[in-house]
Amino acid sequence: QQPVQSPQAVILREGEDAVINCSSSKALYSVHWYRQKHGEAPVFLMILLKGGEQKGHDKISASFNEKKQQSSLYLTASQLSYSGTYFCGTAEETSGSRLTFGEGTQLTVNP
Amino acid sequence: GAVVSQHPSRVICKSGTSVKIECRSLDFQATTMFWYRQFPKQSLMLMATSNEGSKATYEQGVEKDKFLINHASLTLSTLTVTSAHPEDSSFYICSASGGDTQYFGPGTRLTVL
Repeated sequence: QQPVQSPQAVILREGEDAVINCSSSKALYSVHWYRQKHGEAPVFLMILLKGGEQKGHDKISASFNEKKQQSSLYLTASQLSYSGTYFCGTAEETSGSRLTFGEGTQLTVNP
Repeated sequence: GAVVSQHPSRVICKSGTSVKIECRSLDFQATTMFWYRQFPKQSLMLMATSNEGSKATYEQGVEKDKFLINHASLTLSTLTVTSAHPEDSSFYICSASGGDTQYFGPGTRLTVL
C-alpha cells in the first residue's frame, strides 16, 4: 500500500526548519527517505528500521513512531541545496527490500 | 561508495523499435535490482524486481513480454522495452541493493516518436 506523505509542498527561507511526514496503514519493517532534484535520480538520505537502527546523513534526522506506521523527516537550518522533492519509501515485513514510494513532498528553500 | 550507473541517459527512438537500458552497480555487488518508471511530477512506480540469476518479478499491470529484464550478474541488469510506442515515453530509473538500502542510477529519459 502506498504511504501518504504530508505536506505536499512547503516553502522555506534559508535557515528555517521543516518536517515531512510519511504514514502507512500497516506496521512497517523499514522507511527509506530520498531527495530528488528535477531531472535527476533520487539520492539516499536515511533508512529507519523496525528494530530502531538508523543509517543516514549527519545533518538530517528522522523518527519512526512506536507503532511503526509513521515516520517524520526533520530538516533543520535548511540550506538552498535542500530544495527538491522528498520521497519516503516503505517496506513491510513480507516485502523484503521492495519499496513502495509516497507521492512526494516538494520542498523549496529560498534565500 | 554505492554508485550505480545507467546507460544511456537519454534515448529517442521511432515507434516499433526496441530499446535496451543498462544498469550497473560500480562498487558493490547488487543481489537485487529494481526498475522504476516515473512520469513528470509523479512518484516512482516500481515495474519489476530482479535477483541475479533468476526471473524478474513484475508488478501488477506491467507486461513482462514488453519489458524484458535480464540480471545476468551481480553488477548488471538490463531492461529492454520491446516494440516501443509513444505511451512508453517516460523516465526509467534503476536501483541496486546489496542489503537494506536501494541506490538509484541517474535514470534514462526515453522518448518514443
